[in-house]
Amino acid sequence: GAVVSQHPSWVICKSGTSVKIECRSLDFQATTMFWYRQFPKQSLMLMATSNEGSKATYEQGVEKDKFLINHASLTLSTLTVTSAHPEDSSFYICSAERDRSPYEQYFGPGTRLTVT
Amino acid sequence: AQKITQTQPGMFVQEKEAVTLDCTYDTSDQSYGLFWYKQPSSGEMIFLIYQGSYDEQNATEGRYSLNFQKARKSANLVISASQLGDSAMYFCAMREEGSGTYKYIFGTGTRLKVLA
Repeated sequence: GAVVSQHPSWVICKSGTSVKIECRSLDFQATTMFWYRQFPKQSLMLMATSNEGSKATYEQGVEKDKFLINHASLTLSTLTVTSAHPEDSSFYICSAERDRSPYEQYFGPGTRLTVT
Repeated sequence: AQKITQTQPGMFVQEKEAVTLDCTYDTSDQSYGLFWYKQPSSGEMIFLIYQGSYDEQNATEGRYSLNFQKARKSANLVISASQLGDSAMYFCAMREEGSGTYKYIFGTGTRLKVLA
């Protein structure tokens, strides 16, 4: 099956610093990638939809200047949390969609971010 | 308005018995997809089953089946012969396909505990 990786799997950073999370589709090309945020014991909330070569589409309430998304190639999308604060601590999950086939969305293992 | 509703925050089932996890949805699109994902404590999202809005037959994947009632807008997951390893969070999700964005919306999840 298709594999999506995320790096790092967990990160601890100090308040005010920026953190970059990578999402890679390892054995397929992903025209669309999605970034989700999940608070403890809650559902996945879609943050943005990332299309290769174009600007990401952010969901309402998500600050685009704080959560910078770059989909530079068909296998890589990055999420940069800028000037992180403790309230940004969360579990961030990406998914990659191979094409518009029914269930061709594959999730990465997630990145746990803790901001101290 | 909430588009995916999972009314059972937690469920218990005895090992080897069947269990039904409820999911209702709301959409004005004619074309959409319904998904169930399993999220164990490790955090990874595991795809279980898919049902397309135009599929006339209920989807089945091994011990998983989706009870799709289009008129009632429900897509309940049935797990037969529960196993201890089935203990996890289960999320119902919908992908609306009429608007061209193909984004996924997740329910709040149901935590299933299988008892020995």
